[in-house]
Amino acid sequence: GIQVEQSPPDLILQEGANSTLRCNFSDSVNNLQWFHQNPWGQLINLFYIPSGTKQNGRLSATTVATERYSLLYISSSQTTDSGVYFCAAASGGYNKLIFGAGTRLAVHP
Amino acid sequence: NAGVTQTPKFRVLKTGQSMTLLCAQDMNHEYMYWYRQDPGMGLRLIHYSVGEGTTAKGEVPDGYNVSRLKKQNFLLGLESAAPSQTSVYFCASSYAGQQETQYFGPGTRLLVL
Repeated sequence: GIQVEQSPPDLILQEGANSTLRCNFSDSVNNLQWFHQNPWGQLINLFYIPSGTKQNGRLSATTVATERYSLLYISSSQTTDSGVYFCAAASGGYNKLIFGAGTRLAVHP
Repeated sequence: NAGVTQTPKFRVLKTGQSMTLLCAQDMNHEYMYWYRQDPGMGLRLIHYSVGEGTTAKGEVPDGYNVSRLKKQNFLLGLESAAPSQTSVYFCASSYAGQQETQYFGPGTRLLVL
């Protein structure tokens, strides 16, 4: 099945810094989602982005499906951005997501 | 509109006990999923359902059973709990189709002693 790899595994930032998180996937996908898991464990949908570019406030994401990667950009980071960011992808039927291991982000004031 | 809800939020079991986790969604979604998340890892799919009365196995189905008697509910059962089933369990749902966003519940934290 499809493999999903995320990098870096850990990231420490000062408040106000920008960052780029990467997600590589091993096969063509028909679904790719980015999630933020906050320190309370809640999974928050950030983007549904199997291809193209989307922006939502300080966050944006780009998926280059032909090269099998997706990037999540966080600009002007805030302490509330801390947590784990997951990329998940699905190929084939029934939208079964395969998750990467996540990038753990800590933003310090 | 509550979205995806899960019951209970937290549970402690002894090895060999049984329990059922309940997932409910009010978005009229066809597809529903159960995932588990172990420390330091991403989520892994246990079972899923593509409609009322249907279920199928995911990546890690052993030790679990599921039922989808009503479209809005998806139950996950542990017949004889084992310490290896200590995890956080997430339910998700989506509209039918290959290109649909999945929406996740708040999770159930299960500890098996």
